[in-house]
Parts: sequence; C-alpha cells; structure tokens
Amino acid sequence: LAKTTQPISMDSYEGQEVNITCSHNNIATNDYITWYQQFPSQGPRFIIQGYKTKVTNEVASLFIPADRKSSTLSLPRVSLSDTAVYYCLVGEWSGNTPLVFGKGTRLSVIA
Amino acid sequence: DTGVSQDPRHKITKRGQNVTFRCDPISEHNRLYWYRQTLGQGPEFLTYFQNEAQLEKSRLLSDRFSAERPKGSFSTLEIQRTEQGDSAMYLCASSLEGEETQYFGPGTRLLVL
Repeated sequence: LAKTTQPISMDSYEGQEVNITCSHNNIATNDYITWYQQFPSQGPRFIIQGYKTKVTNEVASLFIPADRKSSTLSLPRVSLSDTAVYYCLVGEWSGNTPLVFGKGTRLSVIA
Repeated sequence: DTGVSQDPRHKITKRGQNVTFRCDPISEHNRLYWYRQTLGQGPEFLTYFQNEAQLEKSRLLSDRFSAERPKGSFSTLEIQRTEQGDSAMYLCASSLEGEETQYFGPGTRLLVL
C-alpha cells in the first residue's frame, strides 16, 4: 500500500474553505484515494473516494492531478462541527483489504 | 448513524482480567473488521471476517486476543490477561462484499489499570 503524508494539524475560521493535501508518491495504477473523517470518541466515517480528476459529493470535493502523486480534500465553508481528524488512505480497495490509516490531519475550526 | 453498534462503549478493568467486546454489524454486511486505536494514532487493523470465517489476522493480535463470529452476524473480541498496553479504543467496522467502503461503529474504549 502506498505511503501517505499529510499535515499533522490545520486551523481554520468558520466559513472558510479548507484544503488538506495528501502526498502519495508511490501510488499504484490500481490504487484509489479515500478520505475518512473521525470525530472525537467516534469511529471513522467515509467521506469521499476518487481515482483521478475531481470528485464531488454533498460533503466535500476531492481533487487529483494527472500524475496522481497527491490529492486535495476540499471542505467548503467549514463550521465548528467540521472539527475532526481527516485521514487520507491509498490502496486497491477490493473489499477484503484492511484499511491502513496514518496519523491523519487534525482540523480545528474556530469561531 | 452508521448502523454498526458496539458494546460496551467503555470498559475499565484491572490488569490480568479478561474482557470481551461485542460488535453488531450492519445486518446485510458479510465482512467484519476489528481495529485498535491508541491516542493520537490512526486505527490499526487487528483481524477480519468474511461471514463466519476469520480470513486475516494482524501481527498485533497476540495470543491473548481471540475473535469470533460464530454465525456470521455479530462478533466478539476477547482479551485475556489484560495488560496496561491494551488500553485503547477498539473499533469494529463492516462492509458488503464487492463494496470497498467500511462502516465503523462508535468503538469500545478500554482502560486497563
């Protein structure tokens, strides 16, 4: 599984757009990029997954450049409730593969 | 609410005691995973079931740990002779065969004194 590197922490004010970048230089051809969100005292929650270009859902957008060596999770107009740890995972998720989490990025949203 | 439930949510025990945790996955999910998470770290994989078969175990799963999923529905994780280093959040996740997304429960927080 490709190793990922992401910032340990980020701070943002409410209402701002937050972009969290993840580096994965050794991503393989069949690997997907997946982001999970974890609130304190809860299990991680799937946010978004993509392979290339751009993916958008009701929660976030995921931007993946052509070389796929990095990806950026974009959270529009964050609120205090977006304070959480965000994990970037890269792998060929066949459904029987355990997820490999790094330390994630701790996002703190302040008023 | 992801639909995965875990019981208990919190457990305090003394070193040397045995503890057992339960996970109820989303009803139609045939895959079930156990992870362990310590403070400041991401979850680490422990073991995985497909239906009632335990298909993979991590090196983290020492011989004091045992997991079962007897009827392919709920699962239990038992830790024998607990040690202070076992203090962590134990997370359960489930998924449907053919789909990559794993849905996590709220976890069981274990404190070994």
